[in-house]
Amino acid sequence: GQNIDQPTEMTATEGAIVQINCTYQTSGFNGLFWYQQHAGEAPTFLSYNVLDGLEEKGRFSSFLSRSKGYSYLLLKELQMKDSASYLCAVRDLTNNNDMRFGAGTRLTVKP
Amino acid sequence: DAGITQSPRYKITETGRQVTLMCHQTWSHSYMFWYRQDLGHGLRLIYYSAAADITDKGEVPDGYVVSRSKTENFPLTLESATRSQTSVYFCASSEEGAYGYTFGSGTRLTVV
Repeated sequence: GQNIDQPTEMTATEGAIVQINCTYQTSGFNGLFWYQQHAGEAPTFLSYNVLDGLEEKGRFSSFLSRSKGYSYLLLKELQMKDSASYLCAVRDLTNNNDMRFGAGTRLTVKP
Repeated sequence: DAGITQSPRYKITETGRQVTLMCHQTWSHSYMFWYRQDLGHGLRLIYYSAAADITDKGEVPDGYVVSRSKTENFPLTLESATRSQTSVYFCASSEEGAYGYTFGSGTRLTVV
């Protein structure tokens, strides 16, 4: 089986930094993904980690620890447009390499 | 237009009716996927396809049928719609070995 857990909701202030955590359990880990989804829209790809460590891409960074089954998405210099749901997803070799998603974290950025 | 398109964008149907949701991509991506998204469950995989004429079940396939006679099209059919199939349906595609998926805009289906 595969469990992917992330907080349901978070709130942060414009200009601040926020960290969204994701924990997972999987038998055949083959990559962890973060997607952004604005209300009523399609998810869009943000980041991919397959090795331990931090991947930085502009204001967004993603971290992975395979031994702990843990990842986080770090958003810096928050902007109002960052208000969205952030979906953590894991690819599992024992599940036909399918990508399975967590329920998502709804982030609200306040002025 | 290049990309991945879904139709219709919104659909209301009655219990027991057959409904087909369309997905079309212009990139010739090998892989295509159907997900449903419900509050509290996130995205759940219904079916996927690795190439034309190759399809396989995902996490929640019951009540759905897919086909892929052409690389660019991957329709999803609800043979006899039920209220529990009220959801937002997303189609996605990717190249073999690619990191992420590209999603269509979604179809909001309501079964009454």
